[in-house]
Amino acid sequence: GAVVSQHPSRVICKSGTSVKIECRSLDFQATTMFWYRQFPKKSLMLMATSNEGSKATYEQGVEKDKFLINHASLTLSTLTVTSAHPEDSSFYICSARERQGAYSPLHFGNGTRLTVT
Amino acid sequence: AQKITQTQPGMFVQEKEAVTLDCTYDTSDPSYGLFWYKQPSSGEMIFLIYQGSYDQQNATEGRYSLNFQKARKSANLVISASQLGDSAMYFCAMREGTGNTPLVFGKGTRLSVIA
Repeated sequence: GAVVSQHPSRVICKSGTSVKIECRSLDFQATTMFWYRQFPKKSLMLMATSNEGSKATYEQGVEKDKFLINHASLTLSTLTVTSAHPEDSSFYICSARERQGAYSPLHFGNGTRLTVT
Repeated sequence: AQKITQTQPGMFVQEKEAVTLDCTYDTSDPSYGLFWYKQPSSGEMIFLIYQGSYDQQNATEGRYSLNFQKARKSANLVISASQLGDSAMYFCAMREGTGNTPLVFGKGTRLSVIA
């Protein structure tokens, strides 16, 4: 089945530094990838839609300058958390759809647990 | 208004018994898809089952079945013969329209299977 790989799975960084998270579709091409954020014991909230070769579309309330998304190829999207602060600590998870069609499920990476100290 | 509502924050079920996890949804789009995902403590999101808005029959996938009641806008997940490994968070999600659009998730239900 379709596999989405996300790296790193866990990262601890100091406040003020930037962290890059990679999301790869391993056996299919993904023109669109979706980035979600999940706080402890909460649901997944869509942050942005990453489009290959064009700018990402951000959800209301998500700072595009804080969360930089680059979708440089059909198999790779990156999320960079810039100047991270403790409140950015969260679980970030990417997803992509292998096939078009209304009922094709999203396949998720294993997520990245970010802790900012 | 919430698009996906899961009213059960937590559920307990005895091993080998069946359990139903509730999900109601809200959309005015005639074309939509409903999905259930399982999230164990490791955090990965595991796709379980989906139901299309035009599907006439309820979806089934192994021990998972979806009780789709379109008029009531509900899409409950039924897990039969519960196993200890079924203990996890379960999320109901919806996709509206037919484009490559994201999923909107409910708040989830934590299922605990008791031996």
